[in-house]
Formats: sequence, structure tokens, C-alpha cells
Amino acid sequence: EPEVTQTPSHQVTQMGQEVILRCVPISNHLYFYWYRQILGQKVEFLVSFYNNEISEKSEIFDDQFSVERPDGSNFTLKIRSTKLEDSAMYFCASSEEGARLLFEQYFGPGTRLTVT
Amino acid sequence: TQLLEQSPQFLSIQEGENLTVYCNSSSVFSSLQWYRQEPGEGPVLLVTVVTGGEVKKLKRLTFQFGDARKDSSLHITAAQPGDTGLYLCAGALYSGGGADGLTFGKGTHLIIQP
Repeated sequence: EPEVTQTPSHQVTQMGQEVILRCVPISNHLYFYWYRQILGQKVEFLVSFYNNEISEKSEIFDDQFSVERPDGSNFTLKIRSTKLEDSAMYFCASSEEGARLLFEQYFGPGTRLTVT
Repeated sequence: TQLLEQSPQFLSIQEGENLTVYCNSSSVFSSLQWYRQEPGEGPVLLVTVVTGGEVKKLKRLTFQFGDARKDSSLHITAAQPGDTGLYLCAGALYSGGGADGLTFGKGTHLIIQP
């Protein structure tokens, strides 16, 4: 069964460093998302991406964050200068186009980002 | 800002019992999704409900979307230890220009004791 994959599974970085989290969405999906989940808290939406541009973004997704689809398969989230409070699980998700299918977002296993 | 409140936050019952967990909001959603999340893993989609009043069944799990599309419930019949986990509801609001992200509730931690 097709699934969303994410790399790395765990990333440790020092405060102020740049990190890039990578995702390979399900191949026929056209909408891509990033979410984060701080330990013990709920899953929070960061950004959605469609047709090579940002579709929606939350207040969390400030200028320190950027997303890119560098090729036909990868979808990346970059944090330019990490802060301690960026420590969280980051989930990538994807969905198909279509009235009902659009809402069915399939999540990857996540990347645990630890900022020290 | 749309908020989803899930209740109860924690539920521990014996194997074989029935249970219902709730997901409520003051906002109208285009759809509601139920996910299950294991520790350290990503949410796994269980079901999507779109139409007000819609009922969907997945084996022993029954999902219902409220008529006004503001609330949903998950009912489990004859719970089994394998049902233990964190159940999340998430709402989607289709703006027409592309999908907004999902708004998640905090989840219900369910423990089924043998």
C-alpha cells in the first residue's frame, strides 16, 4: 500500500542551525502538508502546498520556515535558524484532488527534531 | 480560529464493554476525520465523514457526523485490548482555493484492559 515516507526519523541540531526535513508524498497525490506536534500537545497545521506554491499557512509558519518541491517526488520543509521551541515531531501529509479525497490526508511517520 | 474539543480525555474500560468518544466544535467543518496515533508515530486515517448526519462503520467502530457538521462521535462495540490507543478527530474547512490544513483535537487516550 502506498505510504508517505519521511527522512530522517530523528534530527538533532544546535540552536541557530538550518535544518531540512524531507518527505516523499504518495505518488498520485497533489496536495502536500506539514504539521508539527510538540511533545504532549496536539497536532498543529503549518502549511499546505499545491501546484508548486503555498496554498495556506498558519501563524506558526513564519519567515524562518520555507517549503519546496525540488523535484517530482520530494517535498521539503526548511527551518533557517532553529530555536529551542522548534523541537517537535514534524509530520508530512498528502492528499488527492477530489471533493471527498481532498480531505483524506495521509500522514508520514514523522521526523523528531531536537534543538539543543 | 476553529477549535475541536474531544471528550473524555482519558478512558479506561474493560474488554468487551462499549464506549463512545466525542468531538465537538462551535464551528462548521466541511469534513471530519478520525485518526489513531501510536506513540512516536504519525496519525493513521480511520475514516472521513463529509455529509451532515452521515454514519460510517468500520468493523466494531461506528462514526457519526452531526447534522450541523459541528460534531462527531466514535462508538466502539465490544472493545478489545487492540483498540488501545490515542484517537484524534480533525476537521477540514474547504475554502475553495485549496485545502486548509486540518484542525486537530487533543485526542482521547483509550485503554482497554483485558
